[in-house]
Amino acid sequence: AQSVTQPDIHITVSEGASLELRCNYSYGATPYLFWYVQSPGQGLQLLLKYFSGDTLVQGIKGFEAEFKRSQSSFNLRKPSVHWSDAAEYFCAGHSGGYQKVTFGIGTKLQVIP
Amino acid sequence: DTGVSQDPRHKITKRGQNVTFRCDPISEHNRLYWYRQTLGQGPEFLTYFQNEAQLEKSRLLSDRFSAERPKGSFSTLEIQRTEQGDSAMYLCASSFFVGSSGGAETQYFGPGTRLLVL
Repeated sequence: AQSVTQPDIHITVSEGASLELRCNYSYGATPYLFWYVQSPGQGLQLLLKYFSGDTLVQGIKGFEAEFKRSQSSFNLRKPSVHWSDAAEYFCAGHSGGYQKVTFGIGTKLQVIP
Repeated sequence: DTGVSQDPRHKITKRGQNVTFRCDPISEHNRLYWYRQTLGQGPEFLTYFQNEAQLEKSRLLSDRFSAERPKGSFSTLEIQRTEQGDSAMYLCASSFFVGSSGGAETQYFGPGTRLLVL
């Protein structure tokens, strides 16, 4: 089945440290990939997306993600985490056309002082 | 552009009652999606519309669930005879889909409606 997998359910980092959240995908064709962030009780906010072209994509709030076809990965990174980044992060994707988006289980990020 | 809006934000109901949620998409977005999200899970697809046509329904969408988008703008999701298992966050998203783009659409989400069935 076409899907995305987030292997880390919960991650804790210190404020100011770097962050990498993992996402692996399984799509036959080149996928369309997204990262969303969700604060408690809120909807999902789009951080960034990859459709084609440059494999390093920049998003909002200082986030970036790199598409690596050889590893079937689309990991989210941020060089220095702020306390306000504490939230749940969802990787999502689809294979284009009329295929629906599927979401990973989410990674909950905790930021400690 | 005010983004996707959903109403109500919270709903508490008793088992067996009917509830209806409304979603107003970003104007001129032709696709509208409904998702359900339970605690500790990612959003699960329920159904989507392209304009007023409902193009796909998940097997998660039992007979008690019905969705409409009568004029291709706002949409409603109704749950009849609610059950405790229906307690979840119901998310709406919209997108502008152009077939010639190969499906490069981006979904924008509303704040969700949190349903609690007692």
